[in-house]
Amino acid sequence: NAGVMQNPRHLVRRRGQEARLRCSPVKGHSHVYWYRQLPEEGLKFMVYLQKENIIDESGMPKERFSAEFPKEGPSILRIQQVVRGDSAAYFCASSTLAGTAQETQYFGPGTRLLVL
Amino acid sequence: QQQVKQSPQSLIVQKGGISIINCAYENTAFDYFPWYQQFPGKGPALLIAIRPDVSEKKEGRFTISFNKSAKQFSLHIMDSQPGDSATYFCAASNRPYGAQKLVFGQGTRLTINP
Repeated sequence: NAGVMQNPRHLVRRRGQEARLRCSPVKGHSHVYWYRQLPEEGLKFMVYLQKENIIDESGMPKERFSAEFPKEGPSILRIQQVVRGDSAAYFCASSTLAGTAQETQYFGPGTRLLVL
Repeated sequence: QQQVKQSPQSLIVQKGGISIINCAYENTAFDYFPWYQQFPGKGPALLIAIRPDVSEKKEGRFTISFNKSAKQFSLHIMDSQPGDSATYFCAASNRPYGAQKLVFGQGTRLTINP
């Protein structure tokens, strides 16, 4: 895990509340991916962002979920009106040289969201 | 067609033995096949990766074998050690799209007995 920071590491929310997950990429990386991992499953792609742009959000639910990667500051994954099915580990990965043969995604430690 | 199927779900190997994990895919447009290692409470870490123009890649005790015609690839861990105990994920992506949306297998929980 080459320097991707995620916080909080653990987040507990009650149904209906909002969850905000933050990701600071490796210094110098301008591409961020978010993945969700349900218990005992592999990671599922959610969204791919560059600074100030959403490039691909095909894996993100159309309602309640949004993501941003502003010019300054971390990338934010926001989940509004959380439900129990949102309980999962959310991983952020960052990379440089996106789409090239040299690209490698580096993953953060994840945020484990528990919805009560 | 976007799935990557991984087996076995769990694997127990004696120290010094060979651990073998297999993956199969359907999408012939996939052209990048990485393996990730994940310890409990941590994020996945890239272990080794292969492109379909070679049939095998070796890095230390870790080897990827790739069979393009069968659309299968596998991870071999030689001389397995207790420190290798972790969950292993295979993945695949189609890089030319410019967005490396990794498609992950379901994971294999590997336990190396001392």
